[in-house]
Amino acid sequence: DQQVKQNSPSLSVQEGRISILNCDYTNSMFDYFLWYKKYPAEGPTFLISISSIKDKNEDGRFTVFLNKSAKHLSLHIVPSQPGDSAVYFCAASDNSGGSNYKLTFGKGTLLTVNP
Amino acid sequence: NAGVTQTPKFQVLKTGQSMTLQCAQDMNHNSMYWYRQDPGMGLRLIYYSASEGTTDKGEVPNGYNVSRLNKREFSLRLESAAPSQTSVYFCAMKEGGGFTEAFFGQGTRLTVV
Repeated sequence: DQQVKQNSPSLSVQEGRISILNCDYTNSMFDYFLWYKKYPAEGPTFLISISSIKDKNEDGRFTVFLNKSAKHLSLHIVPSQPGDSAVYFCAASDNSGGSNYKLTFGKGTLLTVNP
Repeated sequence: NAGVTQTPKFQVLKTGQSMTLQCAQDMNHNSMYWYRQDPGMGLRLIYYSASEGTTDKGEVPNGYNVSRLNKREFSLRLESAAPSQTSVYFCAMKEGGGFTEAFFGQGTRLTVV
């Protein structure tokens, strides 16, 4: 039972345009969401996060939107750059029962930004 | 990925051999994790340690054991390697539970033949 779903295995965009990566979740207890970026032969690196009390969080070119009623979040990258080409993972955690230590990841979306 | 060091970076094992993957962190975080990444499967949690002296199973623990040697080190052991354990293994650390991010190591690419 996959609790975090990234239904698009890949996405290709032109440099300078917007990249939108989507993530759906099934566990309504998730209250913290994160995006990670991963280059080949490297470990995932943290990109941006959002808690369930917010619907938007922005950091430079990266914005994460959260729609709790739809159990959906998205990562917007504007403008996209060739260096953004990587696999992006969505992750979530449930902190309702006190300290929760587990992050549940989606399968990832490969973003390719073409020059 | 400063802060989390994994050794080795690459390893080839024969079926039935054993080995230990090492992980050390220098950020004094309480929680440590082992994930595996397989094509089309994302990152799946094998085991984690919320704090020194505790370990818990994750999503795919079968065939693995772990040891939280001290606050800095968290090792993953394969007692009898199987081809299904061919994967890239990532160690991660996190400052406790709650609304914090995890930091990952560079990974260990393991092939079991």
